[in-house]
Amino acid sequence: GDSVTQMEGPVTLSEEAFLTINCTYTATGYPSLFWYVQYPGEGLQLLLKATKADDKGSNKGFEATYRKETTSFHLEKGSVQVSDSAVYFCALRDNNDMRFGAGTRLTVKP
Amino acid sequence: EPEVTQTPSHQVTQMGQEVILRCVPISNHLYFYWYRQILGQKVEFLVSFYNNEISEKSEIFDDQFSVERPDGSNFTLKIRSTKLEDSAMYFCASAPVGGDTDTQYFGPGTRLTVL
Repeated sequence: GDSVTQMEGPVTLSEEAFLTINCTYTATGYPSLFWYVQYPGEGLQLLLKATKADDKGSNKGFEATYRKETTSFHLEKGSVQVSDSAVYFCALRDNNDMRFGAGTRLTVKP
Repeated sequence: EPEVTQTPSHQVTQMGQEVILRCVPISNHLYFYWYRQILGQKVEFLVSFYNNEISEKSEIFDDQFSVERPDGSNFTLKIRSTKLEDSAMYFCASAPVGGDTDTQYFGPGTRLTVL
């Protein structure tokens, strides 16, 4: 079945460092791809999405490009802030339900 | 901005008891979902619901689970006889019909602790 694999954490960075969190997917169809973020003690919030190949989703300085040839949707940010500390989930939607990756915990230190 | 709400935020129950987790989806949404996240693990799909019936469910969603939309605003998940392994964070989500149907909007979750 459809699945998502994302890099294991935790990831610890200094403020203003460059962030990459890798995500690859397996799907039989043409899924939409998402990144959700979970701040401490809170629920899942949509960070960005892309619905077709070569689409780039972006929000709050984060970007991810839907790469069909490599079945990837890596999350990047040029300069992270302490407030970006959270767990990041890559997900896909094919048909009706969402499939989530295991989550990557990011800690940004001042 | 409209948002999905869930009550209670934390529920503690004894093994074997029934629990009902409540969700109020965004008002013009017609697709509803439940997910769970066992502590430290990935978010897992449980069930989707549309037009007053279950449209898809995972292998986790066995006979102990049921969902209901008792009125025009609430969407509930019932666990008939809780087990220790049901302890998890349960997230409700909703999505619109038409427009951006891809995106599911999640509530803040209910933390269920089974003792």
